[in-house]
Amino acid sequence: TQLLEQSPQFLSIQEGENLTVYCNSSSVFSSLQWYRQEPGEGPVLLVTVVTGGEVKKLKRLTFQFGDARKDSSLHITAAQPGDTGLYLCAGAEGGSEKLVFGKGTKLTVNP
Amino acid sequence: KAGVTQTPRYLIKTRGQQVTLSCSPISGHRSVSWYQQTPGQGLQFLFEYFSETQRNKGNFPGRFSGRQFSNSRSEMNVSTLELGDSALYLCASSLIVNTEAFFGQGTRLTVV
Repeated sequence: TQLLEQSPQFLSIQEGENLTVYCNSSSVFSSLQWYRQEPGEGPVLLVTVVTGGEVKKLKRLTFQFGDARKDSSLHITAAQPGDTGLYLCAGAEGGSEKLVFGKGTKLTVNP
Repeated sequence: KAGVTQTPRYLIKTRGQQVTLSCSPISGHRSVSWYQQTPGQGLQFLFEYFSETQRNKGNFPGRFSGRQFSNSRSEMNVSTLELGDSALYLCASSLIVNTEAFFGQGTRLTVV
């Protein structure tokens, strides 16, 4: 069972555009993390959100955790080619000790 | 401080063989998790070790096994390799169980 659904699966945009990717679930998560992975490399942690309704900003990236702690979004402003990669969300399901990953959004930013 | 180190980076094996992959976590991290990543299935959890004990196991056949040593280094073993085992195998270390995971670069296994 896929607990975390990410959308869109693929996204190709031009440099300078804004975008939002989503991570949704029917389960409640005690925390949720976002990672970026480049081809042939391991995922790199971007942020962890813990509190429902929490918003965190990392330069041009804005992360939001839903009020009910079931969903999250990542918004990128003025995307750059260096933002290209696979964006993964991962959740620590309440009561479980396993970290569950979504299948990711593959983002391509064209110069 | 040094990150998570996985060896080898690339591996080519023949069907039926077995393989052992190694992972050295970040110093001080006691939790090590293993994942299999394929284009179709994404990141799938294999198992997690904490203080030499397997805490969780994913839905993989018994051909996949692992262990953790007293220095927190971990190995995973796949026996009787199948073509479908070709994947990027990722190791992640965490300070404690189920907290922020720091990944290694992975081992790309190709089974021919």
